[in-house]
Amino acid sequence: DAKTTQPPSMDCAEGRAANLPCNHSTISGNEYVYWYRQIHSQGPQYIIHGLKNNETNEMASLIITEDRKSSTLILPHATLRDTAVYYCIVRAYSGNTPLVFGKGTRLSVIA
Amino acid sequence: NAGVTQTPKFQVLKTGQSMTLQCAQDMNHEYMSWYRQDPGMGLRLIHYSVGAGITDQGEVPNGYNVSRSTTEDFPLRLLSAAPSQTSVYFCASSLSGSSYEQYFGPGTRLTVT
Repeated sequence: DAKTTQPPSMDCAEGRAANLPCNHSTISGNEYVYWYRQIHSQGPQYIIHGLKNNETNEMASLIITEDRKSSTLILPHATLRDTAVYYCIVRAYSGNTPLVFGKGTRLSVIA
Repeated sequence: NAGVTQTPKFQVLKTGQSMTLQCAQDMNHEYMSWYRQDPGMGLRLIHYSVGAGITDQGEVPNGYNVSRSTTEDFPLRLLSAAPSQTSVYFCASSLSGSSYEQYFGPGTRLTVT
């Protein structure tokens, strides 16, 4: 079973920041938080990952709380092309641990 | 690089028929995996491989067989298709099993009647 809890859907106005929350209260010390997204019926796409520090790349920022029990993915200036299902995944970094997908959050960016 | 390629894109089978879904990657990735996605659901892992000659079962392996004779290819075989196997199938690959980024193919949409 997925170890994360996400809201099923969210809306965001185009040009505004999209903040997608994720709860992972049972996360272990060796587990990272990963975010993937799936646009329409395409294969999922990696966005970002982190352990305990905040992370930023060209696509998004990841804010992880100090106790690591929750995190927020931030898309700073959402566009219509960011409409997708966003998956928050907790996974051990070492070994051959597979990605376990939950149902994710369906983000709709509205013009 | 072509990345991860999957064939066919669409397939319709009758109950009891067999077929093989093809998956190939040209990135010299050791780790490959197969997922299925049912309508409105997240992806569920079927089988995975950490290298040529090594495969293991995922969450929903029943009804599917895999083999990994080369690094590049990871075919998924349905021995006797059932309507419950109607789904979209995604293949993924990564440099290793612990790599943070997995690359997914475009998917194969399978309908079993």
